Amino acid sequence: AQSVTQPDIHITVSEGASLELRCNYSYGATPYLFWYVQSPGQGLQLLLKYFSGDTLVQGIKGFEAEFKRSQSSFNLRKPSVHWSDAAEYFCAVEAGGGADGLTFGKGTHLIIQP
Amino acid sequence: NAGVMQNPRHLVRRRGQEARLRCSPMKGHSHVYWYRQLPEEGLKFMVYLQKENIIDESGMPKERFSAEFPKEGPSILRIQQVVRGDSAAYFCASSPGANSPLHFGNGTRLTVT
Repeated sequence: AQSVTQPDIHITVSEGASLELRCNYSYGATPYLFWYVQSPGQGLQLLLKYFSGDTLVQGIKGFEAEFKRSQSSFNLRKPSVHWSDAAEYFCAVEAGGGADGLTFGKGTHLIIQP
Repeated sequence: NAGVMQNPRHLVRRRGQEARLRCSPMKGHSHVYWYRQLPEEGLKFMVYLQKENIIDESGMPKERFSAEFPKEGPSILRIQQVVRGDSAAYFCASSPGANSPLHFGNGTRLTVT
């Protein structure tokens, strides 16, 4: 069965600084990979996804993520964060087929300092 | 095109009562998934349904929990005889197909007193 690890429970970044949120997965083949964002009181919004092809994926709100097979990682990055980026970020893996839905990491809580 | 609609947003039940959570998928979506979010545990898959069929319920507790997605109307997650440990946020997601990204609703926060 697939699993997802987000090693950082909380991350604090100054507004305007760069951001990288880590995500490692465990799965025998190449999975489908996703990043979702959950703003306070909101549902989950898809930021970006990787299915195949170019390993650098561009998403909404200026986010990008890079799939690195050798490291089993799919880290989320943003060159300059805004106060509105403060939220909970979830990495997820789907082992193709979709029958089991997604397996989510435990989330990383992003705090933006002024 | 309205997104995934969940209601109610907040639900308070006393121990032993029944909780019914509703989810209307996005238009054109026939696949529905339910997830439970417990504090510091992230999101846990509960059940995957297509119209009138349960495809995968491997994440559902064996007792008291049930889900349906009838031909007409919303998907319902039903929790009978609720206990304090059922307090959580329950998210519904829908997709047009098995390999499509999920679109999530805003969740229902269940509080059991």
